Amino acid sequence: EIVLTQSPGTLSLSPGERATLFCRASQYVASNYLAWYQQKPGQAPRLLIFGASTRAAGIPDRFSGSGSGTDFTLTISRLESEDFAVYYCQQYIHSPPRYTFGQGTKLEIK
Amino acid sequence: QVQLVQSGADMKKPGASVRVSCKAFGYTFNSYGVTWVRQAPGQGLEWMGWISTYNGNANYAQKFQGRVTMTTDTSTSTAYMELRNLRSDDTAVYYCARTPLGGGLDPWGQGTLVTVSP
Repeated sequence: EIVLTQSPGTLSLSPGERATLFCRASQYVASNYLAWYQQKPGQAPRLLIFGASTRAAGIPDRFSGSGSGTDFTLTISRLESEDFAVYYCQQYIHSPPRYTFGQGTKLEIK
Repeated sequence: QVQLVQSGADMKKPGASVRVSCKAFGYTFNSYGVTWVRQAPGQGLEWMGWISTYNGNANYAQKFQGRVTMTTDTSTSTAYMELRNLRSDDTAVYYCARTPLGGGLDPWGQGTLVTVSP
């Protein structure tokens, strides 16, 4: 079973700064099958990125994903107040379908 | 508008069963699978399983094997998740999510809080 480890656990930044979140897999992950989600308190998660680097519909272009193999990155170029939330990476295995989530990174206002 | 609407909060006693529903709107139901994910209070996301709305095939996380059953009703575009023999550590918000092949989970239902308490 693939284990996803996210770092840092908590990231404290100010609006306007750049955020870089990491997700490391214990085994190779096909890039098509790596996604990122944002979750705000009391809300369901929202898909940001799939296929490691493709933004989901309606996601602002300040969000970008990159990486391959075992190391993936979510970058938020200029933080806005609504971006402070918890972020999860997730990998997907096709047959049979099963998913694994990272433990999350909390992005908080400094 | 594509959305998934889940059933309301529920409270159960240990040993009981719970069934959560997830009704789909705004898309062709049997063109996408449905994934179920839960989140215990203050914790991260935990994948429970996936079901094909096309043929009903399901794949469950090993942790829930034998205790969970996922089904769909294509006539009402509704997916169901039943969890049996509930324990206090099953207290969580349960989410359903539309699942395309190879893509991310999108959108998610609003979540259903299941509380297990004596």
